Amino acid sequence: QSVLTQPPSVSGAPGQRVTISCTGSSSNIGAGYDGNWYQLLPGTAPKLLIYGNTNRPSGVPDRFSGSKSGTSASLTITGLQAEDEADYYCQSYDSSLRCWVFGGGTKLTIL
Amino acid sequence: QVQLQESGPGLVKPSETLSLTCAVSGYSISSGYYWGWIRQSPEKGLAWIATIYHSGDTYYNPSLKSRVTISVDTSKNQFSLRLSSVTAADTAVYYCARLAKSGYFSDYWGLGTLVTVSS
Repeated sequence: QSVLTQPPSVSGAPGQRVTISCTGSSSNIGAGYDGNWYQLLPGTAPKLLIYGNTNRPSGVPDRFSGSKSGTSASLTITGLQAEDEADYYCQSYDSSLRCWVFGGGTKLTIL
Repeated sequence: QVQLQESGPGLVKPSETLSLTCAVSGYSISSGYYWGWIRQSPEKGLAWIATIYHSGDTYYNPSLKSRVTISVDTSKNQFSLRLSSVTAADTAVYYCARLAKSGYFSDYWGLGTLVTVSS
């Protein structure tokens, strides 16, 4: 049982938009700790997509965007491409557990 | 470009100690930033294990703290993880990573190394 809750899977056709939610609590995202997002592809190093809820590292396409509201963070991918098929994980810090916490991951399937 | 490479045994026996090293290239550990270990297992997903600052300050996941040691060797530009008294539950892909200056997220990760605990 992950501290942050994500849907196990989402899907979309090329060109469409998908949003992945990440629901936390008052001791992590709701306490003001940032939501961060990573993309995991088999055989490659995990990639930071979004940090500080809304910021994209250099090199990450602007098709990827993040937001935060209350105890939840979200990752939105617009203009879906085949290469976006991957697992996506949210992450934050939890003040009660005193450690980083992750979501259970969401598998994005491109139809 | 910062690159990280994990190394260590892929198979560890139950009750023994898992030891991994992360070699860093493209950036000098002694210049700053936090450095850490994260693991991924099918049962528990991603889990943060430990973090170390270049000065040697350490931070541990409370659930693993009694079994974990993280250390840094600035002369070799690498840092290491030791996890004692392993069980099958410690079977996972272990990643090393550079953490942002805030320490709250990772901006560079290694490819990961699979460690299986089995007799």
